[in-house]
Amino acid sequence: DAGVIQSPRHEVTEMGQEVTLRCKPISGHNSLFWYRQTMMRGLELLIYFNNNVPIDDSGMPEDRFSAKMPNASFSTLKIQPSEPRDSAVYFCASSLGGPVTEAFFGQGTRLTVV
Amino acid sequence: RKEVEQDPGPFNVPEGATVAFNCTYSNSASQSFFWYRQDCRKEPKLLMSVYSSGNEDGRFTAQLNRASQYISLLIRDSKLSDSATYLCVVRLYNQGGKLIFGQGTELSVKP
Repeated sequence: DAGVIQSPRHEVTEMGQEVTLRCKPISGHNSLFWYRQTMMRGLELLIYFNNNVPIDDSGMPEDRFSAKMPNASFSTLKIQPSEPRDSAVYFCASSLGGPVTEAFFGQGTRLTVV
Repeated sequence: RKEVEQDPGPFNVPEGATVAFNCTYSNSASQSFFWYRQDCRKEPKLLMSVYSSGNEDGRFTAQLNRASQYISLLIRDSKLSDSATYLCVVRLYNQGGKLIFGQGTELSVKP
């Protein structure tokens, strides 16, 4: 298996632009998580899905952030409009839904908003 | 209060030392526990799951104390390659499998 695949690996954009981050989970996994990591705040859970349904989006910082999972093999995290404080590494992770199952992470997208 | 708390460190230890990391969690309904390792500019990767009776994997030992809501990781005979950030993780099955990470403890093993 190729693991969790995220794209792009790096994104540099200007303030005010729309940014879309993409994630392909491991085949057969039914839970998908989006995290944001910064030096100051560590790994923050933004939103997670079970069976393509959003379960908890309380970590999404503002209405500028939105996430979708149209099918079991694809999810997007969109920021519109982007701001410099959104600069961070965004990770996607997937897992099986069982009681003692770990999550596997993608390599992350390093976002810089200038 | 954060849901999962760790001492951020850094812990600077010589090769061969034994080092212990602690983690506390606030949600008593937490059901699964893990330690992840994250190398600089890389993604977190599973180091080991933590079982109620405690478990060992080579030089690594994990312990869980549900009554005190406390998890620990012990690394014996530390190697230079153990230098990384260690993340404590809890999974909440009463919240649909929510997976929460601590801020991580940085370890630096020196020659």
